[in-house]
Amino acid sequence: EAGVVQSPRYKIIEKKQPVAFWCNPISGHNTLYWYLQNLGQGPELLIRYENEEAVDDSQLPKDRFSAERLKGVDSTLKIQPAELGDSAVYLCASSPGSGHEQFFGPGTRLTVL
Amino acid sequence: AQSVAQPEDQVNVAEGNPLTVKCTYSVSGNPYLFWYVQYPNRGLQFLLKYITGDNLVKGSYGFEAEFNKSQTSFHLKKPSALVSDSALYFCAVRDIGWGSGGSYIPTFGRGTSLIVHP
Repeated sequence: EAGVVQSPRYKIIEKKQPVAFWCNPISGHNTLYWYLQNLGQGPELLIRYENEEAVDDSQLPKDRFSAERLKGVDSTLKIQPAELGDSAVYLCASSPGSGHEQFFGPGTRLTVL
Repeated sequence: AQSVAQPEDQVNVAEGNPLTVKCTYSVSGNPYLFWYVQYPNRGLQFLLKYITGDNLVKGSYGFEAEFNKSQTSFHLKKPSALVSDSALYFCAVRDIGWGSGGSYIPTFGRGTSLIVHP
């Protein structure tokens, strides 16, 4: 069974540029999460999807961040424009339901110069 | 609000010795508790979880954890550590919900770096 797929694995951009991350969850997993992980910290939830519906998005900085999961399968997280402080690892995870353990992708390491 | 504390930034243990990685939590209702492990440049991998039932939970790679409601703890343990166990370990909690006023958002601890010396 394929795990959670994320791309790209690494991204370097200059500040004020846009960037997008893609995630394909495990087949059949209805719940999808986007997390931000800073060095030496645990993951912090940005947004959770139940199928195509975004729930728990209170931590998403909506002035510059957006996310979508149009068909309830894969998802895209976008930052526009990126700021220096956005440099972090962006993790995607999926689970069969919100009460279950999560399966994480390898993450995208973003560096904003 | 729910929270998780991992009081040790780093745990050092000799190979073959038992290891413990500590975790305490706070939730408004009853907890779902999880342990994850993260190897360098990798995503988190699920180790074990407590939902209900037996307080001693067994998981992957020989790890186990004990749920202690009175002490609000969920410490991760292994009887004999391996060098390959060296990694970053995260405890996570979420409230069961169902009208308890809790959140479905899982909260992760800051992580504990486990170093197993040969």
